[in-house]
Amino acid sequence: AQSVAQPEDQVNVAEGNPLTVKCTYSVSGNPYLFWYVQYPNRGLQFLLKYITGDNLVKGSYGFEAEFNKSQTSFHLKKPSALVSDSALYFCAVRGSGTASKLTFGTGTRLQVTL
Amino acid sequence: NAGVTQTPKFRVLKTGQSMTLLCAQDMNHEYMYWYRQDPGMGLRLIHYSVGEGTTAKGEVPDGYNVSRLKKQNFLLGLESAAPSQTSVYFCASSHSANTGELFFGEGSRLTVL
Repeated sequence: AQSVAQPEDQVNVAEGNPLTVKCTYSVSGNPYLFWYVQYPNRGLQFLLKYITGDNLVKGSYGFEAEFNKSQTSFHLKKPSALVSDSALYFCAVRGSGTASKLTFGTGTRLQVTL
Repeated sequence: NAGVTQTPKFRVLKTGQSMTLLCAQDMNHEYMYWYRQDPGMGLRLIHYSVGEGTTAKGEVPDGYNVSRLKKQNFLLGLESAAPSQTSVYFCASSHSANTGELFFGEGSRLTVL
């Protein structure tokens, strides 16, 4: 069975500092990996995805993520955090042999302070 | 751009009552999904559909039924609501089974008393 682990319930960072939100996964076959963001009382919004190719993926709002096959990780990063980045972030995975079933992590709340 | 629209946005039910949540998408996507979101548990897949007239069970299907009579609509039904079904429900759609990202609705908050 495929699974996603987001080991941190909350990440706190000061505005202007770099941020990392961690994600590790377990899946059969090649992984398709996604990051989504959820603002209060809203649906999830797509940030970026890794399907194949370059291990560093760039996405919306200046976010990027690095795929590491040996560590089965897909950490979300941003060089300089903004207060407006404060939200709930979800990592998700599909295996290449499990069409349609996207499995989400439990989410990490990012709090960016001045 | 409407995208994915869910109705109603809020609903309060008594135990044993029934209701239907409607999801509509205007992106001509083949794949549609119903998730529930509960604190500390992330999103869990209830049912999904890979095309008009087809549905399949996700990881937490018990107590729910779905129908996809038209490509643009995906209905989630609760025949006899239970307090354990108090949750926020999200509908999503996608153009691809594996590589496509999901587009989510704004959510429907259901409370069962």
